[in-house]
Formats: sequence, C-alpha cells, structure tokens
Amino acid sequence: GAVVSQHPSWVICKSGTSVKIECRSLDFQATTMFWYRQFPKQSLMLMATSNEGSKATYEQGVEKDKFLINHASLTLSTLTVTSAHPEDSSFYICSATLSRGHTEAFFGQGTRLTVV
Amino acid sequence: GENVEQHPSTLSVQEGDSAVIKCTYSDSASNYFPWYKQELGKGPQLIIDIRSNVGEKKDQRIAVTLNKTAKHFSLHITETQPEDSAVYFCAASTPKSNYKLTFGKGTLLTVNP
Repeated sequence: GAVVSQHPSWVICKSGTSVKIECRSLDFQATTMFWYRQFPKQSLMLMATSNEGSKATYEQGVEKDKFLINHASLTLSTLTVTSAHPEDSSFYICSATLSRGHTEAFFGQGTRLTVV
Repeated sequence: GENVEQHPSTLSVQEGDSAVIKCTYSDSASNYFPWYKQELGKGPQLIIDIRSNVGEKKDQRIAVTLNKTAKHFSLHITETQPEDSAVYFCAASTPKSNYKLTFGKGTLLTVNP
C-alpha cells in the first residue's frame, strides 16, 4: 500500500508556543489529506479535511485559528498547533487518499504532542 | 451525519480461537467500510475493506461481511495469534461526505497465549 510519513513522531513543547506537524505522502500524490485527533483509549476524531491548493474544511467545534492547516503541494500537508496549551496534548494523525473521492485512506504513524 | 456503533469494546480470546467484532451504521448511503488495526502509539493500519456491492471478503485469516439491509458489518479473525492483539476500528464513508471516514469507538482485542 501507499506510504504516509508523519513528522515528528513525538514532540514536547512549552505552553504558548506553536508546533508544526508534517504529513507527507511518499510514493503517491495525495489530493486530499485528513487530520485527526485521538485521546487515550478513544477513537479518531476528524479535525479537518485538507485539499491541495485550497483552504481546509474544518469540522464543527474545531478552531481553525488554533489549528492551522496548509496543503501547499500534492505530497505535503502541515498542521500547526498555535499557542499550545496542556489541553492540546494529544495524538495527532494524518491520512491521505490517492485522489478526491477515492475511498482508501492511508494513515501516518501519528504524532504524540505533549504541552507542558 | 453518519453514526457508527462498534461492539464489543473489549474482547479477550485464547490463541487459536476466532474473534468477531460487529459494527452498525446509520446512513444507508454509506458504501465503503474499512477495518483498521491500531497498535499502541502507532497510526491505524488498513487490514481489510469492503464495498457495498459485495457481501463478503476474505484475506487469509481475516474476513469481513456486510449486510446492507440491516446496515451492519462484521470483522472475523480466525486462528488468532498473540500478534493480533491491538485495537480494531471499523469505519464507514459515503460519497456525499467526500468519503470522510466515520469511525466506531474501537475494540481492544487481547489474544492470550
């Protein structure tokens, strides 16, 4: 299957700072990427859908100014957690599909964010 | 929107036994149903999927069945092994939502040696 790489795999930052997480499709061009958040022992919660060359579509309740998403190329999407607070600590996961409307999604390995 | 229910939340089996996880969905327009395996600290890994024009699909020890009328689908793992221990998620998607995945709450499967 296609490979999606996420970086970093874990990060610790201080309250008030910003953190950027990268999601790359290594061997295919991903028109659409999705960003999820996962709390311990819970399911994946979709945060936003990122389409190359256009603004991300955020799910209800997700602050777009807090979680900045950029999808500048067909192989890279970034999620920036701005002015991070301890409650932003979570596991963030991205996924990518081969083309818009394509069903199969490939997931990155996730990023563990800890805000202290 | 779509709602996916998954049961059981935890499942413990002996090595060699079979394991079955069941999911129901609410949106009759959903037509793609993947199953993911997630190991601790890792991202989900697609293990099998099924589309609405198929009733059953099998890949070695793993099989998925779909009942569109009842709107439920199930994951079957035969001859379980300790390395099958993980959290399993079912999901559903529909064209009208641009194939966004709606996940179940997950099942923690433990295979005891």
